[in-house]
Amino acid sequence: DQQVKQNSPSLSVQEGRISILNCDYTNSMFDYFLWYKKYPAEGPTFLISISSIKDKNEDGRFTVFLNKSAKHLSLHIVPSQPGDSAVYFCAAKALNTGTASKLTFGTGTRLQVTL
Amino acid sequence: ETGVTQTPRHLVMGMTNKKSLKCEQHLGHNAMYWYKQSAKKPLELMFVYSLEERVENNSVPSRFSPECPNSSHLFLHLHTLQPEDSALYLCASSQGVDRGSPLHFGNGTRLTVT
Repeated sequence: DQQVKQNSPSLSVQEGRISILNCDYTNSMFDYFLWYKKYPAEGPTFLISISSIKDKNEDGRFTVFLNKSAKHLSLHIVPSQPGDSAVYFCAAKALNTGTASKLTFGTGTRLQVTL
Repeated sequence: ETGVTQTPRHLVMGMTNKKSLKCEQHLGHNAMYWYKQSAKKPLELMFVYSLEERVENNSVPSRFSPECPNSSHLFLHLHTLQPEDSALYLCASSQGVDRGSPLHFGNGTRLTVT
């Protein structure tokens, strides 16, 4: 059973518009969330994170929103640029899961920014 | 070289072969990881090494055997694999294993088992 779900496998957005990537989770113990971006033939790279004590974190064009009651987070990219075309992975961590880091990943959403 | 380097980039092996994947990190991190990415599935954590000690293996089959000789190098030894083991194997590193330390990934080894 997937604890982190990205229900949209792909998304196409016009350059300059807002891209909204969604992620839902089921484990109420998750308290830290991250977004990673992956280009073809490269490994994922860390993009932005948010702790459960916040509901918003912003870094330049990227903003992550967290709705704990709905167990939902979203990544907003504005304005979208062609270089943002990549696969975006949502990931979550729980407190007190032992000594090892355990990230639970979603299956990813492929974003295509068109001209 | 900077970042996390994985070799080889591509590997094709038969079910009776023995091969090894190599990972090297130049970031001064003290934790290293192996992840598996299969088609249409989430990334799965296979192994974590922190301060050269394996702390988690997530019930990975014994045909996968990790080795971490020091904090900069990580290997994944493969033997008698199955076709369903074909996947992208990603190495990552971090400074510590707590929630505030994001992972830095290598570009992966694309493994095909025939």
